Amino acid sequence: EIVLTQSPATLSVSPGERATLSCRASQSVSNNLAWYQQKPGQAPRLLIYYASTRATGIAARFSGSGSGTEFTLTISSLQSEDFAVYYCQQYNNWPPITFGQGTRLEIK
Amino acid sequence: QVQMVESGGGVVQPGGSLRLSCAASGFTFSYHGVHWVRQTPGKGLQWVAFIRYDGDNKYYADSVKGRFTISRDNSKNTVYLQMNSLRTEDTAWYYCAKDDGYMSSWYNWFDPWGQGTLVIVSS
Repeated sequence: EIVLTQSPATLSVSPGERATLSCRASQSVSNNLAWYQQKPGQAPRLLIYYASTRATGIAARFSGSGSGTEFTLTISSLQSEDFAVYYCQQYNNWPPITFGQGTRLEIK
Repeated sequence: QVQMVESGGGVVQPGGSLRLSCAASGFTFSYHGVHWVRQTPGKGLQWVAFIRYDGDNKYYADSVKGRFTISRDNSKNTVYLQMNSLRTEDTAWYYCAKDDGYMSSWYNWFDPWGQGTLVIVSS
């Protein structure tokens, strides 16, 4: 089973600033990685798939990069609605599909 | 719009059974696979099961294999998760989610998710 490790666990950033979230895989997942955003009381929402492709309707300030074992989600200029928990997910080696433990993005 | 709506959660004793339903709308249901994913505060997000668009292929997490069964009724645009021999560690929010692939090409990322249904296994 592939283990995904996200860092940091919590990230404090001011609105308007850039946020960089990391996801590391225990073995290569090629570019078969997705990112999700989850707000309190809501289901996760797909942001990125194939490591860098934005899902339909996702703002251009969200970008993904990386391949192999190291991945990054960048939010270029944080808006108030972006403060949430973010999860990475691999689908390269499955079953099982696995998720990272999440990064909480909070207002500084 | 594309929508997934779960139902059937509740409180059940250890060893008991529960059947969850996932009603889909807004897309051609019979062309898409569907996943179940669960979430707990302690273990985060955990993929549970997947069923292919036509029901011919099913996959399960090891933790539920032999206890849970995924099925679908394309005439009702609904996927089911039959959960037997429930354990306290099965307590979670259960989400269904549409696979973003099409027919025999499934992608294994989830879009969209339903709002979830809560399952509590407790004596």
